[in-house]
Amino acid sequence: DSGVTQTPKHLITATGQRVTLRCSPRSGDLSVYWYQQSLDQGLQFLIQYYNGEERAKGNILERFSAQQFPDLHSELNLSSLELGDSALYFCASSVGYGWSNTGELFFGEGSRLTVL
Amino acid sequence: GQNIDQPTEMTATEGAIVQINCTYQTSGFNGLFWYQQHAGEAPTFLSYNVLDGLEEKGRFSSFLSRSKGYSYLLLKELQMKDSASYLCAVRDLNRDDKIIFGKGTRLHILP
Repeated sequence: DSGVTQTPKHLITATGQRVTLRCSPRSGDLSVYWYQQSLDQGLQFLIQYYNGEERAKGNILERFSAQQFPDLHSELNLSSLELGDSALYFCASSVGYGWSNTGELFFGEGSRLTVL
Repeated sequence: GQNIDQPTEMTATEGAIVQINCTYQTSGFNGLFWYQQHAGEAPTFLSYNVLDGLEEKGRFSSFLSRSKGYSYLLLKELQMKDSASYLCAVRDLNRDDKIIFGKGTRLHILP
């Protein structure tokens, strides 16, 4: 158990819909990362937050958005869903940010999204 | 930008040794991770190299050469449970703290 909690574990929805994925980082971790992993693909970096602020952005679609709340949990919002958005979405947390961040990423179990 | 390359698949025999290579090109390198990921599961941390050289941790060792943009993961005394994908990831501190993953190497262990 990494200490990172993601909900829901599985989600099935239709095209055009909107979903919210939730992540609670490990106790004491201030950084949260979101990754997308499609079938047979690597982990695609989406976005990173540190202590409530966005710090790095990857290839995140405009239909996707995220935020980190004062209690440090994070949510990833996916809207106008398309078939190609079906993937495993991972959240990971780490202690710090930048040069203060000497630790590893701890991953949650992921949220498997299926768009029909 | 970043570019991380590793072989797509490798096959090895139980009890043997295998080396998985990773080459990278980044604008601001600050460390390289290796993660193990079983199908459908979360990646789990194996190693983190910041300085050049070899770091050993049980059956697994990781090597880094920053000047060559090269790393490898060495797995000894292979076990069937080592069948998994091995992900190389680079931390880039050039203006932000992105951790970018390669596509992973799927390792098959034969009895």
